[in-house]
Amino acid sequence: GAGVSQSPSNKVTEKGKDVELRCDPISGHTALYWYRQRLGQGLEFLIYFQGNSAPDKSGLPSDRFSAERTGESVSTLTIQRTQQEDSAVYLCASSLFGRSGANVLTFGAGSRLTVL
Amino acid sequence: AQTVTQSQPEMSVQEAETVTLSCTYDTSESDYYLFWYKQPPSRQMILVIRQEAYKQQNATENRFSVNFQKAAKSFSLKISDSQLGDAAMYFCAYRSAVYGQNFVFGPGTRLSVLP
Repeated sequence: GAGVSQSPSNKVTEKGKDVELRCDPISGHTALYWYRQRLGQGLEFLIYFQGNSAPDKSGLPSDRFSAERTGESVSTLTIQRTQQEDSAVYLCASSLFGRSGANVLTFGAGSRLTVL
Repeated sequence: AQTVTQSQPEMSVQEAETVTLSCTYDTSESDYYLFWYKQPPSRQMILVIRQEAYKQQNATENRFSVNFQKAAKSFSLKISDSQLGDAAMYFCAYRSAVYGQNFVFGPGTRLSVLP
């Protein structure tokens, strides 16, 4: 696609429910990132996929968070048993991988999650 | 691990004036990339400018330019002829040139443009 697409753009859920957030990267982008951004804060790294390599999960805050990616396409971030502290905007970004010109991240518009 | 610091949580500038946003980083690597991203209220992150550490020449993109001081590990962003549309959060980011490395973002600087 022309850009990184994320859905839903807004999600309101009740505490304890599970949510799934979807990211559709730019076609051909082998690298995909998930970040969390709490209100007025910076970007908190969650997870990074690169091609067929094992993902870098070092940023996932707890075992309630997980993410999958099918090949070099869509990724899903799942949050189980949501807590109010999970309320944030979840940003997805993708990039080519390589040296010159390829290290630029293209971001989606984000999914705003509100846990009541 | 690399860290990125933006010491100015908020800045303001008069329309048509020039403003400089600061960024410092900590790394032991010699080959890396530095970026400035802009996040307007719409929350869509947009790349403003990029610098490759092995290039001594400072990057420029129209009204945006950087002052890259490798020895000082400093990467400031200068916005000339500020416009109302420049109002946004600005994030400085670092990425190692080593294979498989992640991007590291600073905490951001909120820029207001006064008419």
